[in-house]
Amino acid sequence: EAQVTQNPRYLITVTGKKLTVTCSQNMNHEYMSWYRQDPGLGLRQIYYSMNVEVTDKGDVPEGYKVSRKEKRNFPLILESPSPNQTSLYFCASSYYGTHQETQYFGPGTRLLVL
Amino acid sequence: GDSVTQMEGPVTLSEEAFLTINCTYTATGYPSLFWYVQYPGEGLQLLLKATKADDKGSNKGFEATYRKETTSFHLEKGSVQVSDSAVYFCALSDRGTGGFKTIFGAGTRLFVKA
Repeated sequence: EAQVTQNPRYLITVTGKKLTVTCSQNMNHEYMSWYRQDPGLGLRQIYYSMNVEVTDKGDVPEGYKVSRKEKRNFPLILESPSPNQTSLYFCASSYYGTHQETQYFGPGTRLLVL
Repeated sequence: GDSVTQMEGPVTLSEEAFLTINCTYTATGYPSLFWYVQYPGEGLQLLLKATKADDKGSNKGFEATYRKETTSFHLEKGSVQVSDSAVYFCALSDRGTGGFKTIFGAGTRLFVKA
């Protein structure tokens, strides 16, 4: 089954404790992206990657890191989480070609930073 | 920069009523336009898309037409069902020199009463 998986689905942590949210896709997509969803703000793009070892900032990259060492995986790293990073996070993937930008989303990771 | 504005919700309708959710955009290039739907507790999934001016996207009775002259992509459905209750997001993908970013609207929550 074609899918995007994220782990963990729920996470409670404390300020400053490094964490990683994993994302994996099995569709051989070149493009992967991380979003955060906050009430009244919709989804905002954090980082995206066009292919292995190619990443770029989205609209809200501060406080986040990513890496793309393999095509299928795109982990999101919070080196020193703060309460304002409490949010619902989505990973997405798609092919990278003209007019092929339909994105497939993971189920989401709900993060609470105390 | 690029942006997407969609009507605020929530929208509450009775079953079989006509639905319109307005969406307007600003973009420097020639974006593709999307409507995504998010059911409770799930990630987003593509509802329909249009890749150039005057294209009409359609799926599951929903339709939207890419209007370049009014920079709009309004979502319509002739007869809503209780199962259509969800949050609807308008989005655009605009290709830049290094890849493409996706901009989402804030989302419109739809409640359909039996």
